Amino acid sequence: QVQLVESGGGVVQPGRSLRLSCAVSGFTFSSHGMHWVRQAPGKGLEWMAVIAFDGSYQYYAGSVEGRFTISRDNSRNTVYLQMNSLRPEDTAMYYCVRSEGVGGYRPFDYWGQGTLVTVSS
Amino acid sequence: DIQMTQSPSTLSASVGDSVIITCRASQSISSRLAWYQQKPGKAPKLLIYKASSLGSGVPSRFSGSGSGTEFTLTISSLQPDDFAIYYCQQYNTYWTFGQGTKVEIK
Repeated sequence: QVQLVESGGGVVQPGRSLRLSCAVSGFTFSSHGMHWVRQAPGKGLEWMAVIAFDGSYQYYAGSVEGRFTISRDNSRNTVYLQMNSLRPEDTAMYYCVRSEGVGGYRPFDYWGQGTLVTVSS
Repeated sequence: DIQMTQSPSTLSASVGDSVIITCRASQSISSRLAWYQQKPGKAPKLLIYKASSLGSGVPSRFSGSGSGTEFTLTISSLQPDDFAIYYCQQYNTYWTFGQGTKVEIK
């Protein structure tokens, strides 16, 4: 069955960096775009970033562009989110999400369980 | 950026009721609209995509309709398992979620 397992969350000081990983299984990873979505405590969902099935493009939400970088390793079935210059407002649960299909604009059909990032001094 | 606005923010209903949640887009998104259900402490789950197509394994009491800028999610005969938060999402231009609608027990 499809599984997405995030890791790498934790408590980090403002201005520092953190890298999240998402290991997937149960499907052909190289056939799907992948996203990161976050949810601040008690708040709604916010799309963060997408990477194409082959890594050929990445797009970001304005709130993280220039600070966050999404990447993938299709040989390891893993997608990453490098988060730099973290701010307290980046505190959230971060979900790894599969795009329904290869490319273009598609909905999100599978979600990981999330990894919590807390930015605090 | 495309903004998504859901109404109501909270909805109180009883088991067996039929409920409707509305989602409006700030510009036309054709039928590129999805609905997700999120329960406390869990990741969201895809319910509806392409405005009216049922997700895998989703009960038929869930239905979606609309196109352009106005969309609805209908839950007919609300079940105890349906009390949750529901989000709409546009995927016409990037991806944007509505603010969520909490369906609570009356």
